[in-house]
Amino acid sequence: DVKVTQSSRYLVKRTGEKVFLECVQDMDHENMFWYRQDPGLGLRLIYFSYDVKMKEKGDIPEGYSVSREKKERFSLILESASTNQTSMYLCATEYRATGELFFGEGSRLTVL
Amino acid sequence: AQTVTQSQPEMSVQEAETVTLSCTYDTSESNYYLFWYKQPPSRQMILVIRQEAYKQQNATENRFSVNFQKAAKSFSLKISDSQLGDTAMYFCAFMKQNNQGGKLIFGQGTELSVKP
Repeated sequence: DVKVTQSSRYLVKRTGEKVFLECVQDMDHENMFWYRQDPGLGLRLIYFSYDVKMKEKGDIPEGYSVSREKKERFSLILESASTNQTSMYLCATEYRATGELFFGEGSRLTVL
Repeated sequence: AQTVTQSQPEMSVQEAETVTLSCTYDTSESNYYLFWYKQPPSRQMILVIRQEAYKQQNATENRFSVNFQKAAKSFSLKISDSQLGDTAMYFCAFMKQNNQGGKLIFGQGTELSVKP
């Protein structure tokens, strides 16, 4: 079974703090994604990566950056957290043969 | 740009009954995939069913089936013999087919409650 592990299930941070959300997968998938989930808005793509050191902006990249130094790890960085970044963050990998996404359990971030 | 619309924010169904969740999408692409994902309360999102646009036959996975109407750009999910474990948020998603793999466009979600 594919395992996608997100480092923190729940985080509480203060405005202006730097936040790291880490995601590790064990299935050697090239493609990895960070989504943000908000009620009534569904999932919106923040950033994605097709390979090590490669990244592309999704639909809502403002205020976020990412890092992919190793194939299995894809990190989301909030340089200076703001209250409007309070949300659930979901990491996913893709099995390219079928397009199926495998998700982590999510990281619920609250910015005070 | 592609869009996916789920017009039913919440639905409920009695156990053992059948329920249909609606999804419409907008695209000018001819080759694409459509998906339904399920997110149970406090648990990981998982794939329910997948449809390739070039296939006319509707996909089926046990109690889950889809009604794919390509011309109408409609992709509804039917759950037969609903079970308490079907209680979850359901997301419809679209992916353009290409060689690099794709990024999914998700709908807003439908929260389904199965009542005993």
